[in-house]
Amino acid sequence: DAGVTQSPTHLIKTRGQQVTLRCSPISGHKSVSWYQQVLGQGPQFIFQYYEKEERGRGNFPDRFSARQFPNYSSELNVNALLLGDSALYLCASSLPRGETQYFGPGTRLLVL
Amino acid sequence: QKEVEQDPGPLSVPEGAIVSLNCTYSNSAFQYFMWYRQYSRKGPELLMYTYSSGNKEDGRFTAQVDKSSKYISLFIRDSQPSDSATYLCAMSAQESGGSEKLVFGKGTKLTVNP
Repeated sequence: DAGVTQSPTHLIKTRGQQVTLRCSPISGHKSVSWYQQVLGQGPQFIFQYYEKEERGRGNFPDRFSARQFPNYSSELNVNALLLGDSALYLCASSLPRGETQYFGPGTRLLVL
Repeated sequence: QKEVEQDPGPLSVPEGAIVSLNCTYSNSAFQYFMWYRQYSRKGPELLMYTYSSGNKEDGRFTAQVDKSSKYISLFIRDSQPSDSATYLCAMSAQESGGSEKLVFGKGTKLTVNP
């Protein structure tokens, strides 16, 4: 069975640019969450979506936005990139009432 | 005080050793407790999931939760070089609006030497 998939795997951008990251959840999972993991730290919660509705938002600026599509896939957008946005961006999917979240391989973003 | 505290290590043990990994937390609303394993440059892989207090065993892995002390542990028996990875504890509480965000520790880097 396919797990959570994310694209692209790596990305290099310059300050001020915009980036879109994509995630496809495990088949049957309707909830998608996004996390940012800076080197040497644990993942930090950014967003959770369920049935195309935002269900939770972490302490991130408005430059970060996301959406979920009818097929439950999701996009994370980051505008006006800063050097500090360089990180591994992780997507996780779960069942509607599932506290267990399953992670994808992540997208590694480098901002120069 | 951070919500979840985890000693980042690094921790180095010989093959076959029993490994003990721990986290403490401050939010008494946490009900769900997880351990993830993360290999270098990969996404976290779910190892163990526990609801509320108690023990759970799966093969060489045992997870313990002590809610009265706000303390969780993961034990690895007969450790193998393939167990070398970063171990992340994570926990969540049912929030208003239904959000189930995970709060992670910093992770403990473990090396098992042959």
